[in-house]
Amino acid sequence: SYELIQPPSVSVSPGQTATITCSGDALPNQYAYWYQQKPGQVPLLLISKDTERSSGIPERFTGSSSGTTVTLTISGAQPEDEADYYCQSADISNYVVFGGGTKLTVL
Amino acid sequence: QGQLVQSGVEVKKPGASVTVSCKASGYTFTNYGVSWVRQAPGQGLEWMGWISAYNGDTKYGQKFQGRVTMTTDRSTSTAYMDLKSLMSDDTAVYYCARGPGEGGPTGRYDYWGQGTLVTVSS
Repeated sequence: SYELIQPPSVSVSPGQTATITCSGDALPNQYAYWYQQKPGQVPLLLISKDTERSSGIPERFTGSSSGTTVTLTISGAQPEDEADYYCQSADISNYVVFGGGTKLTVL
Repeated sequence: QGQLVQSGVEVKKPGASVTVSCKASGYTFTNYGVSWVRQAPGQGLEWMGWISAYNGDTKYGQKFQGRVTMTTDRSTSTAYMDLKSLMSDDTAVYYCARGPGEGGPTGRYDYWGQGTLVTVSS
C-alpha cells in the first residue's frame, strides 16, 4: 500500500528553521496538506495544496513541493510550535493517506 | 465558523459494533463531505473513509472495506460511522473532519470533531 514517509523527529533551537519532509511517489500528481497536532488536541490544518497557508496561521509556516517530496518549513521556530506534524495526500486511486508524523522539539 | 460535535466515549467488547455520530453546524452540510480518521494511542493519523453529504457517495479505505459503513442524515446535518467486528486494535480516538463535497475524499480537512474514544476490551 502507498506510504508517505516523514522523519520521526526533528529538533531545533528556538529561532532556528525547522524543516519537515514528506516523500511519496504520487506527490507529483497529488496535492499535499499539512496538519499540526499538539498533545490532547485535534489536528489543525496549516497548509493546503502544497503551499497555501490557512487563515490565521503564522507566516513562519510555509509549504513547498519538489518532485516526490513536499516540505513544511517553520522559519524561526517558537517553543509553542512543539507538536506532531502530519502530511496528508492521496495515492493514484485517490485513497487518502497520512504520513507517519514528525515530532518537532524546540529547545 | 463550522463546528463538528461528536458523540461520547464508547466501551465495547471484541466482536461488537460501534456507531459514532458527528453533528455539523455553522455551514451548509450538503456542500461538503465528511471523512473519518482514527488515531490509536500514541500513534499517527489513519484515514478510514469519506462520505459526500451532497450525494451520498462513499470511499472506504481498503483496510476497512466490509467492516465500516458511513452514512449521513441531511435533515439533522449529522454523519455516522459504523464499525463492526471490533478488535482490540480498533481501540482509538475516532475523528470526523469536514472535507470535499463531491469528486472524492482528496482535499483539505479544515474542521475536525473533538474526537470519540472507542475502547475495545473484554
